[in-house]
Amino acid sequence: QSVLTQPPSASGTPGQRVTISCSGSSSNIGSNYVYWYQQLPGTAPKLLIYRNNQRPSGVPDRFSGSKSGTSASLAISGLRSEDEADYYCAAWDDSLSGRVVFGGGTKLTVL
Amino acid sequence: QVQLQESGPGLVKPSQTLSLTCTVSGGSISSGDYYWSWIRQPPGKGLEWIGYIYYSGSTYYNPSLKSRVTISVDTSKNQFSLKLSSVTAADTAVYYCARTMITFGGVGDAFDIWGQGTMVTVSS
Repeated sequence: QSVLTQPPSASGTPGQRVTISCSGSSSNIGSNYVYWYQQLPGTAPKLLIYRNNQRPSGVPDRFSGSKSGTSASLAISGLRSEDEADYYCAAWDDSLSGRVVFGGGTKLTVL
Repeated sequence: QVQLQESGPGLVKPSQTLSLTCTVSGGSISSGDYYWSWIRQPPGKGLEWIGYIYYSGSTYYNPSLKSRVTISVDTSKNQFSLKLSSVTAADTAVYYCARTMITFGGVGDAFDIWGQGTMVTVSS
């Protein structure tokens, strides 16, 4: 059972805009930054969004992050076939002396 | 560019200690600008943060694993290591090392560079 809650799956057609949600609590998302990672099949995760809405260099602006209260969202616009991957949200959690917590991951399928 | 590479045994017996090393190339662990983390992913499951270390040796562990985890650093070799004791089948996972940004408050931030991961199976 993950501390952060994500839908297990999401889907969209090429060119569409999809969003993936991440729900937490006051001890994690509510008071700390949110991060998003993309994991293509058989590869290591890759940083997609940091500090709620910042994109590392090289990440297309089709990817955007937002946060409101104890929830966060990742939006992908202009969906492409190569976006088919697992997406994980993460945040620092202030409980239990502090720890990094992840969502369970969302499998994005491009139809 | 900075690269990380995990190494270590792919098979560990139950109750023994899992030992992995992460070698950093293209940058110095001693720069002081990052923490250095271990993260694992059981087959078909999500990610779990294990802990991180600063070049000075300061560590921060996931409370759920703290009693069994030791992370150490060897700045002369530009490496950091993970030891996980008393392993069981539940510790079977792909283990990743990752460079970790640091927030202004000194807390671990984004995992911005990852190793390719190494699969460790716990089995007799």
